[in-house]
Amino acid sequence: EDKVVQSPLSLVVHEGDTVTLNCSYEVTNFRSLLWYKQEKKAPTFLFMLTSSGIEKKSGRLSSILDKKELFSILNITATQTGDSAVYLCAVTKTSYDKVIFGPGTSLSVIP
Amino acid sequence: EAQVTQNPRYLITVTGKKLTVTCSQNMNHEYMSWYRQDPGLGLRQIYYSMNVEVTDKGDVPEGYKVSRKEKRNFPLILESPSPNQTSLYFCASKESGGISYEQYFGPGTRLTVT
Repeated sequence: EDKVVQSPLSLVVHEGDTVTLNCSYEVTNFRSLLWYKQEKKAPTFLFMLTSSGIEKKSGRLSSILDKKELFSILNITATQTGDSAVYLCAVTKTSYDKVIFGPGTSLSVIP
Repeated sequence: EAQVTQNPRYLITVTGKKLTVTCSQNMNHEYMSWYRQDPGLGLRQIYYSMNVEVTDKGDVPEGYKVSRKEKRNFPLILESPSPNQTSLYFCASKESGGISYEQYFGPGTRLTVT
């Protein structure tokens, strides 16, 4: 059965800290891994990763995929209170357009 | 403005009373999908549609129906809602195929079935 696991499930840090969020997966016919940020509303897209070892970067956020070990990490440096959200990892498959989401990591950044 | 809209945003209903949640997108996207989100479970895909008249089951299709008669609309139908369908529902769309997997999500519909 296809599965996406995220850790930790929740995390509290202070402003300025660096955090690493983890996503591991077990799916057949892997196509891509996606990261989303969800505040008190709909998820918004952050990154799509398809190749191992190539870092995607956007401001203080970066992500990398390891297709051999079947995981991805999302790094946030110099965290701000506005980074407080649930971060969702999802995997897509080649055979058809199903999307499998993980449970999410709830990040709270306190001043 | 490019967007996905859902209606209603909030709904409280009773067991067994048929309801429809509408979803519409104005981006000419071929792919549309419905998800439900429950605490601790993340987003789970209910149904998706690759194009008009083409729909497929996601991971949790039981108790739901969909139709895709027009490209822009993808309604979610609960023929006989039950309390275990109380959830937050999101509709999403994206361009079909290709490498882009950026889905645009609607604002969500919070459904309570008593």
